[in-house]
Amino acid sequence: TQLLEQSPQFLSIQEGENLTVYCNSSSVFSSLQWYRQEPGEGPVLLVTVVTGGEVKKLKRLTFQFGDARKDSSLHITAAQPGDTGLYLCAGANAGKSTFGDGTTLTVKP
Amino acid sequence: GAGVSQSPRYKVAKRGQDVALRCDPISGHVSLFWYQQALGQGPEFLTYFQNEAQLDKSGLPSDRFFAERPEGSVSTLKIQRTQQEDSAVYLCASSPVTGRWGDSPLHFGNGTRLTVT
Repeated sequence: TQLLEQSPQFLSIQEGENLTVYCNSSSVFSSLQWYRQEPGEGPVLLVTVVTGGEVKKLKRLTFQFGDARKDSSLHITAAQPGDTGLYLCAGANAGKSTFGDGTTLTVKP
Repeated sequence: GAGVSQSPRYKVAKRGQDVALRCDPISGHVSLFWYQQALGQGPEFLTYFQNEAQLDKSGLPSDRFFAERPEGSVSTLKIQRTQQEDSAVYLCASSPVTGRWGDSPLHFGNGTRLTVT
């Protein structure tokens, strides 16, 4: 079983603050995806990273794939209440995909 | 349709009852996946269909779980003789590409929350 560990498990911050959440594994992944899930809804894909060291930006969100393709980070600049949700990473390798247990982010106005 | 549709949204079953959960994927999507998400955890893979063929059922937790997609569109996940540990949200996702992964995103439905009492 390829274990994906996400940290922190919970994060509560004030509007305007910056934050970083992490997704780590001892396994190498061919690609990694980040999803955001709101209560009562299914996960929604934010980004896919494929190349070691790759950095992708989506407005105030910056995603980085580790050089060894074992870990990833998500950085949010100037967080807003609308960023509140469960952030999940999912790694793919040899045709199998595994989700982490997520980071629950709360941004207070 | 505009998105992946799952029904019912909520299902309460007494222990030992059989349940059937339905998934309507996005029209034309070849791949369909079922996931189980327990409270406070990430989704766990159950099974994968490419059109009507069930190519991977390695995640089904027991032989009480059965999934089908007879015409390559709508899929049903059936759980026989439900147990309390089956309580979870069951998510369906579809994708226009084949294989379990790709640059194309998985489009998830909003899930069916199953509670076994």
